[in-house]
Amino acid sequence: DTGVSQDPRHKITKRGQNVTFRCDPISEHNRLYWYRQTLGQGPEFLTYFQNEAQLEKSRLLSDRFSAERPKGSFSTLEIQRTEQGDSAMYLCASSSQGATYNSPLHFGNGTRLTVT
Amino acid sequence: KQEVTQIPAALSVPEGENLVLNCSFTDSAIYNLQWFRQDPGKGLTSLLLIQSSQREQTSGRLNASLDKSSGRSTLYIAASQPGDSATYLCAVGSPQGGSEKLVFGKGTKLTVNP
Repeated sequence: DTGVSQDPRHKITKRGQNVTFRCDPISEHNRLYWYRQTLGQGPEFLTYFQNEAQLEKSRLLSDRFSAERPKGSFSTLEIQRTEQGDSAMYLCASSSQGATYNSPLHFGNGTRLTVT
Repeated sequence: KQEVTQIPAALSVPEGENLVLNCSFTDSAIYNLQWFRQDPGKGLTSLLLIQSSQREQTSGRLNASLDKSSGRSTLYIAASQPGDSATYLCAVGSPQGGSEKLVFGKGTKLTVNP
């Protein structure tokens, strides 16, 4: 169990640029989640995959955001035409059977995005 | 819509003190409640998960209780240590439309002074 890995740890970009983040979940976990956290707030749910299927998306995930998990292993989160309001910590988590089956979530250390 | 509140927002205690962190939620129809720890600039570490049918869970110096009917949970930390300094977050999983998402509180920032 090597834990959930996220890359990069930090990303600084100019407004209007596109950015992509990667998440590698714990290898035997088939559930993968993306959350966003701003300073002083708790994480907010963005989207959820079971294997390669994206089963749930938050209304926070505007059309500038897209997430994929092409082979049911790693996942990418892309933000197009970044805005200053996108500045946040983007957290990835995985679990073996999901929240509804009482499996705890294991989080990565996040990607800190700063849009200037 | 599920809402989670944590009180206090910040807490400072001397080393060795026992302390209680509070979490409340508005909709008692939950699958489970989880407590997490977050160190500055880091991700979240799962501490305890209480299923909706359970009343409490214990791990070492940590004890979490759940009163679903009143929409409350507490995290009890015994004999606090400076290494316990972190932000503690609670989150609930609710069966709203089969959703997998957790709804988080804003956290309680704990400082344990040596």
